[in-house]
Amino acid sequence: AQTVTQSQPEMSVQEAETVTLSCTYDTSESDYYLFWYKQPPSRQMILVIRQEAYKQQNATENRFSVNFQKAAKSFSLKISDSQLGDAAMYFCAYKGYGNKLVFGAGTILRVKS
Amino acid sequence: GAVVSQHPSRVICKSGTSVKIECRSLDFQATTMFWYRQFPKKSLMLMATSNEGSKATYEQGVEKDKFLINHASLTLSTLTVTSAHPEDSSFYICSARLAGGETQYFGPGTRLLVL
Repeated sequence: AQTVTQSQPEMSVQEAETVTLSCTYDTSESDYYLFWYKQPPSRQMILVIRQEAYKQQNATENRFSVNFQKAAKSFSLKISDSQLGDAAMYFCAYKGYGNKLVFGAGTILRVKS
Repeated sequence: GAVVSQHPSRVICKSGTSVKIECRSLDFQATTMFWYRQFPKKSLMLMATSNEGSKATYEQGVEKDKFLINHASLTLSTLTVTSAHPEDSSFYICSARLAGGETQYFGPGTRLLVL
């Protein structure tokens, strides 16, 4: 079975600085999708970014980018120019051949002003 | 695009009563919807997968007779918590996936408190 590991329960970043959240996964599937979701205090899950495993180029969405290392099964999220509104719980998720999303345990990101 | 709504956003009920939560995809058709439960500061726990026009697939350990799921149309799925007890108090989140798509879009969640 696939697993997703987020080894950082909490992270802090100074406003305007850059922070990287780590995520590793385990799978034997060759074709899959990876996601980062953000859950702010409102608890609405918001899609931040997604990466198709067959694409070598790292996905980027404005201040958010990923470092996808397929061989290492690593999928980290970099947030540049951190803003107070980035404070949230971030979940890394994996989707393979099946229907389900496999979530990591989450990382709480605190942004200091 | 890809907006999912949930209703109600919060509900308080007495022990023994049933509660229905609705999940709607507002601007797309969702052949598959998912129901999750989340405890504070924890990850999402998948309860069941709901396919339009067919029976839901429940995860191991989830009581199908207690958590009734209906996916009657391509834009609506409902979760009914039957004979609710205080231990059913939780945050319930639905998500929907476009036909042929890979991304799940989430509703805002429903906070259930059973007294």
